[in-house]
Amino acid sequence: AQSVTQLGSHVSVSEGALVLLRCNYSSSVPPYLFWYVQYPNQGLQLLLKYTTGATLVKGINGFEAEFKKSETSFHLTKPSAHMSDAAEYFCAVTSNKAAGNKLTFGGGTRVLVKP
Amino acid sequence: EPEVTQTPSHQVTQMGQEVILRCVPISNHLYFYWYRQILGQKVEFLVSFYNNEISEKSEIFDDQFSVERPDGSNFTLKIRSTKLEDSAMYFCASSSQGPSNQPQHFGDGTRLSIL
Repeated sequence: AQSVTQLGSHVSVSEGALVLLRCNYSSSVPPYLFWYVQYPNQGLQLLLKYTTGATLVKGINGFEAEFKKSETSFHLTKPSAHMSDAAEYFCAVTSNKAAGNKLTFGGGTRVLVKP
Repeated sequence: EPEVTQTPSHQVTQMGQEVILRCVPISNHLYFYWYRQILGQKVEFLVSFYNNEISEKSEIFDDQFSVERPDGSNFTLKIRSTKLEDSAMYFCASSSQGPSNQPQHFGDGTRLSIL
């Protein structure tokens, strides 16, 4: 079984400040990890993914995340928040089966950016 | 960029009625998924579909639910006799390959309201 925990359902940051969104996962097999972003009235858009290889992965819009196996974490960061980053962010995990790989999502973190 | 499209964007239905939610996945994708998000809760996996059959389904996906790929482009979710608790946002997703490192692309969702 897999699970994802996102610490903090709401995060408020000032424009230009660091954005840090926390994600911890549980998986009995090597995980594949994803961050998705959801803007109001839109679907889930992939920000970045970790599968194998380099543990620091870069995504769109200046976001990056680091896979730390020892901490079972995949925290998302952006050095400088922009007003357009206001959205809900979801961390997700899946396993490396051959097919039918369901995503298991965390509860989401809503980011508010203050001017 | 190709995208997953879902119709309608909002569906209002009387309890007990049948509802069909429609999705057009990305054209060269082979794996299809339905997820739902009840207001204020996590995004939950419902079902995955490959090669004209269900690959995996969750415990939520009971006999009231069915999926179909009636032609080469559409992927539908049918709820036979809706209940109040079926009210949620339903997301369709597709991916190009089975291995988990191919990300799932999501549509904008259908908001289903059961009265």
